[in-house]
Amino acid sequence: AQSVAQPEDQVNVAEGNPLTVKCTYSVSGNPYLFWYVQYPNRGLQFLLKYITGDNLVKGSYGFEAEFNKSQTSFHLKKPSALVSDSALYFCAVRRVGAGSYQLTFGKGTKLSVIP
Amino acid sequence: DGGITQSPKYLFRKEGQNVTLSCEQNLNHDAMYWYRQDPGQGLRLIYYSQIVNDFQKGDIAEGYSVSREKKESFPLTVTSAQKNPTAFYLCASSIGGASYEQYFGPGTRLTVT
Repeated sequence: AQSVAQPEDQVNVAEGNPLTVKCTYSVSGNPYLFWYVQYPNRGLQFLLKYITGDNLVKGSYGFEAEFNKSQTSFHLKKPSALVSDSALYFCAVRRVGAGSYQLTFGKGTKLSVIP
Repeated sequence: DGGITQSPKYLFRKEGQNVTLSCEQNLNHDAMYWYRQDPGQGLRLIYYSQIVNDFQKGDIAEGYSVSREKKESFPLTVTSAQKNPTAFYLCASSIGGASYEQYFGPGTRLTVT
């Protein structure tokens, strides 16, 4: 079984401040981890993924995420938030070696960047 | 959203009617997926297909059916057996292989009254 927890339903941050959106996961074995962003009434857009190697992953629009195996976390970060970053963010996990390509998503975190 | 089209964007149906949601991709991806999104519940997998003419049930398949006769098409039928069909439906596709990300269409918002 695999699962994802996004402990914060909403995160508020001031424009220009650093932002963090938290994600913890549970899989038996090693994970593939993904972050997606969703703007209102739109589909999800892929931001970044962790497959193997460097624990710090850089992605689109200045976002990065740090994989921490001991804490089973994959928090999304950005050094300086923009108002346009306001959206719904989803973390997802898939177990390495799983027979299917099925992704398990968290429930999402709504990010609001305040001007 | 590029490469995956879902139609229509909004769909209204009366209770008791079956309805089919379209999903087409021109990315030459082997795998395709259908998700349902409800407020505060994230995305839940309905069905997925890793190759043509084969598909598997996801976590909430009851009341839904799919077909995968062509690589680029994966239509979803919401049947009258689905107890609460009003939701936002998202189609996705990916290259075959577990490390690859999924690409999503723009979604169809279905309202059943």
